[in-house]
Formats: sequence, C-alpha cells, structure tokens
Amino acid sequence: DIQMTQSPSSLSASVGDRVTITCRASQGIRNDLGWYQQKPGKAPKRLIYAASSLQSGVPSRFSGSGSGTEFTLTISSLQPEDFATYYCLQHNSYPLTFGQGTKVEIK
Amino acid sequence: EVQLVESGGGLVQPGGSLRLSCAASGFTFSSYSMNWVRQAPGKGLEWVSYISSSSSTIYYADSVKGRFTISRDNAKNSLYLQMNSLRDEDTAVYYCARVIRKESDYWGQGTLVTVSS
Repeated sequence: DIQMTQSPSSLSASVGDRVTITCRASQGIRNDLGWYQQKPGKAPKRLIYAASSLQSGVPSRFSGSGSGTEFTLTISSLQPEDFATYYCLQHNSYPLTFGQGTKVEIK
Repeated sequence: EVQLVESGGGLVQPGGSLRLSCAASGFTFSSYSMNWVRQAPGKGLEWVSYISSSSSTIYYADSVKGRFTISRDNAKNSLYLQMNSLRDEDTAVYYCARVIRKESDYWGQGTLVTVSS
C-alpha cells in the first residue's frame, strides 16, 4: 500500500498569509494526486487534480505542484473562507490512501 | 448539475447489517466508476470500496473485505454498500464519490452510520 505523509497536521495563519501544505508518498505516484478541502459537517471538495490542475470554479490563489513522491498545495493569500481541513489523496493504485489532513486555523 | 445523495445510515448494534444507497443524477451514471469513502467522528478520510462502471472491477479496503459488498444498478442510477458484521470501528459518515480518470471529483453529503449497543 502507498502511504501518504502530510504535514503539518495543523497550522495557524492570518488572513493574507501564504500557506504551504506538503504530502509525501512512500513510492512514486507520478502526478496521480488530488487535494481536497473539507469544512466542518460538509463533504470534501476537490481543489486540485492531477497534482497541479485547478478544479473549475476554485479560486486561483490555490495551486498545486509536484510529481513522483513530493507534492505541495499552496494558498497564496489566505482568505477567511479558506479556514478548513485539507487532505491529499493518491489514486495511483488501490487501496486509495489519504494524507492525515492539515487543519488551517485562524491566528 | 451533478448530485449524489446517500441514504440508509442509522444506528445498528455490533454484528448487525445495514445497506447504504447513493442516488445519482445530473450525469450518465452508467459511464462512471464510483467510490465509497468514510470518515469516523473527528478523524480523517478513509477509502472503503471502488466499483467500475460495468461492475466488472471491484476493490475493498482490507478493513472491510469480507464484510462489505459494493454494487450498483445502472438502470436505477444507484450505488449500494451492503455492510454486514458491523463493528464499533465502522462508525462513520459514509460518502459516495464519482470517479473520473481515477480521481474522485464529486461527493455526496454523506450518511452517518453509528454502530453501538
């Protein structure tokens, strides 16, 4: 099984800050990775697919990068509505595996 | 508009059974593979099961293999998850998600399954 190690597990940031979240795969997964945002009591919402492609309707302050084993989600200027938990998900092979999540909180 | 609506959750005793449904609309259901994903209270996301568009390929997480069965009825635009021999650790919100190019793009709102005596 492919293990996804996501860091940090939580972070505190202010509106306007640049935020970076990292996922590391235990083996190469090409660009078979997505990033999801989840708010309390809601379903996950896809932000990024194929590691770096922005989902339609998602603000351009979100971006993804990486390939192989190292991936990054960047929020260029944090907005109040971005406070949520973020997950990476590898779909290179089954079983699909998620990162542990990163909770982004208000400083 | 793509819509996925889960139902069938509830309270069940350990060892019991439950059948979840996911009603799909707004897209050609028979052309898409589907996933079930769950989330225990206060925990992260865990993939549960996958079914291809024609039901020819099915995968399960080790944690549910032999106890859960995924199926679909393309004529009814519906996805199912039959859950048997339920355990406390199966308590979670269960989501269905559409799969496109191996990625889960649209998710339902989830249905809560509580396993407790």
